[in-house]
Amino acid sequence: NAGVTQTPKFQVLKTGQSMTLQCAQDMNHEYMSWYRQDPGMGLRLIHYSVGAGITDQGEVPNGYNVSRSTTEDFPLRLLSAAPSQTSVYFCASSGPGGSSYNEQFFGPGTRLTVL
Amino acid sequence: AQTVTQSQPEMSVQEAETVTLSCTYDTSESDYYLFWYKQPPSRQMILVIRQEAYKQQNATENRFSVNFQKAAKSFSLKISDSQLGDAAMYFCAYRRYSGGSNYKLTFGKGTLLTVNP
Repeated sequence: NAGVTQTPKFQVLKTGQSMTLQCAQDMNHEYMSWYRQDPGMGLRLIHYSVGAGITDQGEVPNGYNVSRSTTEDFPLRLLSAAPSQTSVYFCASSGPGGSSYNEQFFGPGTRLTVL
Repeated sequence: AQTVTQSQPEMSVQEAETVTLSCTYDTSESDYYLFWYKQPPSRQMILVIRQEAYKQQNATENRFSVNFQKAAKSFSLKISDSQLGDAAMYFCAYRRYSGGSNYKLTFGKGTLLTVNP
């Protein structure tokens, strides 16, 4: 198993450009999510999905778009990049639904800089 | 909404000594999970230890243990016999036990731990 993979690892954008951060998992997990990590802020939830075709907003969704067409993939789209979106982005996934404990597995992160 | 507070932005410890990282949280729910994650310079998020709120016994994983005080909403992490490899950012996190969005993690802002040789 590759676990959770993210591409690219690093990216530099200019203000106004758009791009897609890729996230994939090969563990057949239902739940996937995107977080951003900023200095002194911890990790904050951007969007999440509880299954293919189902997405919802997290704490800081503005400026980001997601879709979940397959169980494996959960891309994050920046529609028009702004310097405030300079951050490290983490994708995470977790196993079957229900109330039982399922560890969240994190990808290696993408460091994004918007100039 | 749940909140998680880590009041110590930075901590330091001598190698082989013991250090305790603090975490408090606010929730109106009775069942939930609490976690400590470690983030070394590699940036990878690593689960250190977890605690189910319905369990009174404190979780332990080798040199890592927690002091879970449910009534006080406190969840501290104790690292015994600190090693240089323990140097990292540590995040406390909360997760609901059940419900439609029960996988969402709420993180504290982190504590940067330095281990001095």
